[in-house]
Parts: sequence; structure tokens; C-alpha cells
Amino acid sequence: GENVEQHPSTLSVQEGDSAVIKCTYSDSASNYFPWYKQELGKGPQLIIDIRSNVGEKKDQRIAVTLNKTAKHFSLHITETQPEDSAVYFCAASNDMRFGAGTRLTVKP
Amino acid sequence: DAGVIQSPRHEVTEMGQEVTLRCKPISGHDYLFWYRQTMMRGLELLIYFNNNVPIDDSGMPEDRFSAKMPNASFSTLKIQPSEPRDSAVYFCASSWGMGGTYEQYFGPGTRLTVT
Repeated sequence: GENVEQHPSTLSVQEGDSAVIKCTYSDSASNYFPWYKQELGKGPQLIIDIRSNVGEKKDQRIAVTLNKTAKHFSLHITETQPEDSAVYFCAASNDMRFGAGTRLTVKP
Repeated sequence: DAGVIQSPRHEVTEMGQEVTLRCKPISGHDYLFWYRQTMMRGLELLIYFNNNVPIDDSGMPEDRFSAKMPNASFSTLKIQPSEPRDSAVYFCASSWGMGGTYEQYFGPGTRLTVT
């Protein structure tokens, strides 16, 4: 099955700085790569996704890049705000397995 | 739509007791997933259904765990007998299609504590 590795496990940034979270996957047949945000006491919620026929996708302050050759994809958050503080999970489609999660803290 | 509904939101039980968690997926969704979340193991997929049929239960930890989906609008996850190591937050999620949007909509979770 798919093996999804996510780094870093924790990330602390100053408000206004950028944050980058990276994931690698093992199954080259994977073709869908979502990112979920989980706030305290809630279930994960999709924030952005990318499909294998696209190298980059952007939605306001968040973007995802995909390198299929290297089998890794990244979440980029620019101009971070305190409300971006949460746990972020990546996943790769074929196995519905999530990465271990990254706890992002944005300091005001 | 009200989203994915889970009940109860919190459950405290004693070791050895039977626990039943309930989930109502979003109407029209044909996939339903059960996850378990702990600090140590993260978000683990336990089982998922397609059109009420279990497709992959390889994540179910052991025979004490069982899941059913008697119809498109209801699923249960049962633990019998429960053990302290089953303490976790259990999420139910539903989605429309595997090859389509694939977005999973998660419920608020059930926090289970087994003493």
C-alpha cells in the first residue's frame, strides 16, 4: 500500500512569514493529492488538492506543488496568520492513508 | 446539508464494555470511512465502504472491532470488549466517488475514553 511521509512534524513561524510542509509518497500510480487542515476539536477539512496532470495549484495564500518524478508534493502558505495555526495532513490517493501531520503554530 | 453526523460526541466506558459509535454520512455520498486518531499513531484508516459494502477492512485492529453499514444513511463501529488502548477520537467521513473529487467530509468525531 501507499506510504506517505510528512515533514516537519512541528513548525513554528512568525505571523506574515511563509510556511512549507512537504510530503513524499511511494506509489507512482497515485494521482490525487489533497491537503487537510484540522483545528482543535474538529475533524480534518480539505483546504486544497492537486491532481497528477498539474504541477502547481494556488488558492489565495495557499499553494500546492507536485513533483511526480521525485514523488513529493508540498503545501505552501504565504503571509501566515494566527488562524492558520492547526494540524495539516497530506494524503495520496491510492491508499487513503494520511501523513503523520504537521502542527503549525503562527506566532502573532 | 448538515454534514456528517456522529454520535455520541463523547463516550466514557469501563474496560470490557461494548461501545457503539454511529455515523450518518452526507446524503448522496457513496463512500464512507472510519478513522481512529491518537497522538501516537496519527490518523489511521480503519475501514471503508462503497455503496454500503465493506471494501477494505485491513486497518481494523483486531476482531474486537466490527463495522456495519445497513443502509446508505447509517453506519456503526462497534468495539466489544473495549480496552483502555482503544481510547482515541474516532472520525467518520464520507465522499462522493473515488476517481472524482475525492474530497472527504469529516464528522466532528467521537472522543472515546475507556477506563
